[in-house]
Parts: sequence; C-alpha cells; structure tokens
Amino acid sequence: KAGVTQTPRYLIKTRGQQVTLSCSPISGHRSVSWYQQTPGQGLQFLFEYFSETQRNKGNFPGRFSGRQFSNSRSEMNVSTLELGDSALYLCASSPLGSLDTEAFFGQGTRLTVV
Amino acid sequence: GNSVTQMEGPVTLSEEAFLTINCTYTATGYPSLFWYVQYPGEGLQLLLKATKADDKGSNKGFEATYRKETTSFHLEKGSVQVSDSAVYFCALSEWAGAGSYQLTFGKGTKLSVIP
Repeated sequence: KAGVTQTPRYLIKTRGQQVTLSCSPISGHRSVSWYQQTPGQGLQFLFEYFSETQRNKGNFPGRFSGRQFSNSRSEMNVSTLELGDSALYLCASSPLGSLDTEAFFGQGTRLTVV
Repeated sequence: GNSVTQMEGPVTLSEEAFLTINCTYTATGYPSLFWYVQYPGEGLQLLLKATKADDKGSNKGFEATYRKETTSFHLEKGSVQVSDSAVYFCALSEWAGAGSYQLTFGKGTKLSVIP
C-alpha cells in the first residue's frame, strides 16, 4: 500500500508570491490534516479535511487555505508569502480521523521563502 | 488549551544505555497519547500509542505508560542503538469539534546515540 505522498519535496519562492502544495493520502483514507514544522514553533496544526469539508482550522492567518477533492487528495495554498512561512509542511492522513487512530505522515514539503 | 511539554535535549547517549524522555500534558478531556519519531529528512512515524489511563504502548523496545494521575507519558528504552538516533515527539489527540481530531505536539527531543 502506497504511503502518503507530498509534492513537491522542495520549493523556493520569493516573498509576496503564492504557493500550492499537494498531498495524496493513503488509499481509503478520508481525513487529511496539515501541519507546519519550524525550529522555533515546532509542529503546529493548520487544518483538517474530511470528505471535502474543512472540519477544523488552527490559528493561522487567512493567507493559509486548503481544499480537499472527491478522491481525498488535498492541496494547501499560501498567498503573499512571508519569510516566516519558510518551514516543513507535513500532511497526515487517517481513515476517519477518529480519536485514537494513527495518523500517517508524508515526508513533507520543504518551503523556503527568500 | 491543550499542551504537551517534553524535555528538549539534545540527548546524547552511548550505545546500550538506558533512555528516558519525559513528557507531560495538559488537556481538558481524555486524550489519546502518542510518541512519534522523525528521522533526518523524513516525515513522522508513529512509534507507540495509548488511548486510556494505565495503558502501556510498546514498539521496537520502546515503552510508555499513560499516567492520568501525573498527566505523563514518559518514553523509555532499556538499551538504545545507534539506529535510534532521531527526533522524538510526544503528542496528544483530542476531539476538536465537528467530528474532527487534532494532534498537539511537544517541541521534540533530539536523541544521538554514539557507538
């Protein structure tokens, strides 16, 4: 069974640009969550999608948005990039997103804003 | 809100030494608790989990017990190997409304094991 796939693995963008990151969950998994990982703040929750609906959102500005498609693939978009958006963005999938279910993580997309 | 506090390290041990990484949490309800491991250049992998008080999670020689009275979930291993060198994250999962769950992570503890 293929794991969670995130593309691209690495991105370099200029301040002010926008970026779209993609996540393909494990087949059959309907819940996709996104996390931002930085050395200073650690891992922070961005949002969670289930069956194309955003069920939960973390404390991030409106520049961060996402969506989920009918095949459960998800994208997140960051507009008007700032230097502080440089981070590893991790996607995680789980079958239903229930309380004690393991979340399976992708390898992440390393975004560098210059 | 929920929070997880773990010793930040870095921790350097000799091969076959005993490992303890402390983790305590604050939560409003009854969370599930997890330890995830991150190897260089990789995403996170679940190491072990416990879903209720007094549960013991174990995997690959690692163990952690869900202690509700002390709100702790300390990670232990009796004899570490060089291949255990990684960053370890303690996390809790709790309902976030609308049928959703959310993982809250500690800052991570970097472990280096030297031969």
